[in-house]
Amino acid sequence: QITLKESGPTLVKPTQTLTLTCSFSGFSLSTSGVGVGWIRQPPGKALEWLARIYWDDDKRYSPSLKSRLTIIKDTSKNQVVLTMTNMDPVDTATYYCAHNRRGFFDLWGQGTLVTVSS
Amino acid sequence: DIQMTQSPSTLSASVGDRVTITCRASQSVGFWLAWYQQKPGKAPNLLIYKASTLEGGVPSRFSGSGSGTEFTLTISSLQPDDFATYYCQQYNSYVWTFGQGTKVEIK
Repeated sequence: QITLKESGPTLVKPTQTLTLTCSFSGFSLSTSGVGVGWIRQPPGKALEWLARIYWDDDKRYSPSLKSRLTIIKDTSKNQVVLTMTNMDPVDTATYYCAHNRRGFFDLWGQGTLVTVSS
Repeated sequence: DIQMTQSPSTLSASVGDRVTITCRASQSVGFWLAWYQQKPGKAPNLLIYKASTLEGGVPSRFSGSGSGTEFTLTISSLQPDDFATYYCQQYNSYVWTFGQGTKVEIK
């Protein structure tokens, strides 16, 4: 059974760096074809894909946020970490991590709400 | 980037209705399109991938069709549990994008 769970701060100040951790079980990020992605959703708004990392360490980012994002994996810990620099109130959103099957997301974490406010 | 546009943004329907949601891509994405259902306060749930392949455990009243730039999600007979927001997502390129969502409301 695959499960994913996001963790990190619920409140960050403007200009700070956000670090979110996705802890997962039921699969290995060293298995061919497997990936993990991050998606966010501002309150009342649509889903926005942020980044993803594959088993072979291939990484891709949303072009509009690429300069602010870094995604890494720790295969031994079954974790994927996303960092986003220079946080702004418009980055207030629920952040999800999800298991990726060569492009689509078949299993999602419960999400974590991050509020950006001074 | 490939832009995904869903229509309508909101849809009012009754239980038993046949419902169709459209997703248009700004350029061809082949068959590389997924559909998700999201209920308030919950994570999205995968319904369909590769335009028309039903994910395991998803009721057969859901179906997807299309290719290239135009896709549809059809619910053959709307059930009370289907009132939710639906999103399409393209994964043709290295940069993935979601549509803006279609909210299916009770008429």
